Amino acid sequence: EPEVTQTPSHQVTQMGQEVILRCVPISNHLYFYWYRQILGQKVEFLVSFYNNEISEKSEIFDDQFSVERPDGSNFTLKIRSTKLEDSAMYFCAREGLGPTYEQYFGPGTRLTVT
Amino acid sequence: AQKVTQAQTEISVVEKEDVTLDCVYETRDTTYYLFWYKQPPSGELVFLIRRNSFDEQNEISGRYSWNFQKSTSSFNFTITASQVVDSAVYFCALTYTGNQFYFGTGTSLTVIP
Repeated sequence: EPEVTQTPSHQVTQMGQEVILRCVPISNHLYFYWYRQILGQKVEFLVSFYNNEISEKSEIFDDQFSVERPDGSNFTLKIRSTKLEDSAMYFCAREGLGPTYEQYFGPGTRLTVT
Repeated sequence: AQKVTQAQTEISVVEKEDVTLDCVYETRDTTYYLFWYKQPPSGELVFLIRRNSFDEQNEISGRYSWNFQKSTSSFNFTITASQVVDSAVYFCALTYTGNQFYFGTGTSLTVIP
């Protein structure tokens, strides 16, 4: 059973369009994270989200990106105006149980910007 | 600054051989956590192990073992008697906040039958 589910599994969009990637945790968790992985490269941290607020973000997470948990369940990553370089796999993750710090990743959404 | 280096980009071994994946890290923090993740061809990231900076005990789990040495800032991963199903990209990662993970560039392991 996946730790989190992500939809869609693959999204193709045109440059300049807005996209929303969704993450649905299987059970109640407070900490969520978004990462991206450009094809063939390392996994890069974007943002962490705790109790409906951003707790930490990287330099990559600029004004084009936003996160929210609109209905208390789904956790979304929005890219306002996509660029070609936003093409990547986007992973949602949730924290482990207890003070263990490991993160459990969803299956990812492959975003292709054309 | 946090940094994780996986110098081995690609490794190929013949099935049943042992293989060690290297991971070297840099951090100024005294408390930190190290991880290994596996990314099979299907693309998901699978958590394998976590190590705290204050616990240098090596760990063995089946065919997997991990060697954590603070003196050399290394956290190496050994697969004994490799199998074709071990073929994947393996990432080493570091965090000191529990939020942002710093991943290495990964080592692509191919196990040849």
